[in-house]
Amino acid sequence: NAGVTQTPKFRVLKTGQSMTLLCAQDMNHEYMYWYRQDPGMGLRLIHYSVGEGTTAKGEVPDGYNVSRLKKQNFLLGLESAAPSQTSVYFCASTDPMAGRNEQFFGPGTRLTVL
Amino acid sequence: DQQVKQNSPSLSVQEGRISILNCDYTNSMFDYFLWYKKYPAEGPTFLISISSIKDKNEDGRFTVFLNKSAKHLSLHIVPSQPGDSAVYFCAASETSGTYKYIFGTGTRLKVLA
Repeated sequence: NAGVTQTPKFRVLKTGQSMTLLCAQDMNHEYMYWYRQDPGMGLRLIHYSVGEGTTAKGEVPDGYNVSRLKKQNFLLGLESAAPSQTSVYFCASTDPMAGRNEQFFGPGTRLTVL
Repeated sequence: DQQVKQNSPSLSVQEGRISILNCDYTNSMFDYFLWYKKYPAEGPTFLISISSIKDKNEDGRFTVFLNKSAKHLSLHIVPSQPGDSAVYFCAASETSGTYKYIFGTGTRLKVLA
């Protein structure tokens, strides 16, 4: 099992460019999450999904969109990147139906917006 | 308004001694708590959890204590090892269906050999 994988690992964008971050999990988890981590801020939830075809906003959703067309994939999109979106992005998944509540995290994507 | 707080940004401990990491929360509806460990350039990895129906949970060298009346939890690592040097995050959730967690800002633990 690869667990949770994220693509790409690093990316540099110019202000106004768009990009999509891909998260994939092979654990058949229903729930998936996107977080951003900034210095001194911990991890903040951007968007999450409780199943294929569903998405919902987290704490800091502005400037981001998401899609969950397949159960194993959760995409995070930036339509018009801004320097404030420079951050490390983590994807996570969990399956509460399995009786465990912890989230499994991917290795992260480091994004710099110039 | 930060619902989960880790007031110590960093902590240094001698190898073999006890490390105590603290976490406070404000939302009395939180009923499940997790601790994660994070190494540089890696994603957080799950360490230990505790439900609000318990006040203690142990897993090897790691013990988490929960004081619901004080809205406080702590992670004890005994004995501390150099490999424990990492950033530790606590997280809290209402297990009401979405399993969304609120994370603290982290404490950087350095275990000195």
